[in-house]
Amino acid sequence: AQKITQTQPGMFVQEKEAVTLDCTYDTSDPSYGLFWYKQPSSGEMIFLIYQGSYDQQNATEGRYSLNFQKARKSANLVISASQLGDSAMYFCAMREMDSSYKLIFGSGTRLLVRP
Amino acid sequence: ETGVTQTPRHLVMGMTNKKSLKCEQHLGHNAMYWYKQSAKKPLELMFVYNFKEQTENNSVPSRFSPECPNSSHLFLHLHTLQPEDSALYLCASSQSPTSGDHNEQFFGPGTRLTVL
Repeated sequence: AQKITQTQPGMFVQEKEAVTLDCTYDTSDPSYGLFWYKQPSSGEMIFLIYQGSYDQQNATEGRYSLNFQKARKSANLVISASQLGDSAMYFCAMREMDSSYKLIFGSGTRLLVRP
Repeated sequence: ETGVTQTPRHLVMGMTNKKSLKCEQHLGHNAMYWYKQSAKKPLELMFVYNFKEQTENNSVPSRFSPECPNSSHLFLHLHTLQPEDSALYLCASSQSPTSGDHNEQFFGPGTRLTVL
């Protein structure tokens, strides 16, 4: 079974608007971490935001926020005020603390910001 | 140099060649990783080194041979590869996964490998 599911292969958003990228996960480990990474066409994976399973509040980092719904096992990324430079692949990933080395990635969502 | 660097950025090799990919991190981290990113597949973890010791080999074929001489350098030695090994190979580093923090991984720009 897939541990990380990103159901949107591609998304469009108008510049300056907000966009939500979906991510659901599957784990039986009570302690885990969720990550979002951005991959521009240059190839480098850029860390955006982290949410721990025990964190009481949704994580925020500048224009990025994570809509964490633990009971539904979802960790959607919200990008506010989209910019042209936000066009990239976005990956959701999970680290289960009982297998502390592995970062499991989803298949990614390609976001295109329209001017 | 800052962050995580990888060389070469692009590599084309025949199936009988031997080549090596190099990764260097300038972040003072103790853990380093090799990932493979193929077209239309999720990023796959290949190897993990923590304090120079290999802690994870994710069922990787022996034609890929990692080497970690110190906490700052990681190599991936390649020999007798197959065309299906063509992919983007990404290196990453982090604080030790056993340190208890959330330990985000910092990635290099990758090596685009083409096997003819």
